[in-house]
Amino acid sequence: RKEVEQDPGPFNVPEGATVAFNCTYSNSASQSFFWYRQDCRKEPKLLMSVYSSGNEDGRFTAQLNRASQYISLLIRDSKLSDSATYLCVVRIQGAQKLVFGQGTRLTINP
Amino acid sequence: DGGITQSPKYLFRKEGQNVTLSCEQNLNHDAMYWYRQDPGQGLRLIYYSQIVNDFQKGDIAEGYSVSREKKESFPLTVTSAQKNPTAFYLCASASGSGGAAEYEQYFGPGTRLTVT
Repeated sequence: RKEVEQDPGPFNVPEGATVAFNCTYSNSASQSFFWYRQDCRKEPKLLMSVYSSGNEDGRFTAQLNRASQYISLLIRDSKLSDSATYLCVVRIQGAQKLVFGQGTRLTINP
Repeated sequence: DGGITQSPKYLFRKEGQNVTLSCEQNLNHDAMYWYRQDPGQGLRLIYYSQIVNDFQKGDIAEGYSVSREKKESFPLTVTSAQKNPTAFYLCASASGSGGAAEYEQYFGPGTRLTVT
């Protein structure tokens, strides 16, 4: 079983729609959680860290469910510029390195 | 302007040659990382360093070497022993020094290496 699993998609949604995707992690000792976005042929960019209480940044909301070992990302009022691959990232307690999921590809259609 | 730079953006080499990829950061970060990304794949960790003059192997270190002589610099050498070196190489850094953002990694623009 992979340490971090994501539905690769692609998700195709119309502009203005709300879209959500989940990511599951296998190690219950996972401590830190992040969402990154990666545009085609570019470097990943940090979208947001995910805190235990959940957090929101504009149209983006991230949630953590420790009991079921998943994190989620919700995008409201989606824009064409939201089209990208979204990477779920986890750090296991005591480790210095991050584990990246393979990403979920999202396309927003006009 | 703080950030991470990688050079060159594209690099072409013949099989059997060693090649060194540059990574420099002026964010005053302690930790630095090298990843490899193949088409349609996730990031795989090659090497990382938490402090000057110290580094650890990641998940796919075979055929690669690194040095960390300065805090700002973490060059990666792809040796001729690496069997499939053609890939997108990404360097990242993190503060590594405590606080809520300790593990947030910031990436350079990457180097696309093609070996023929």
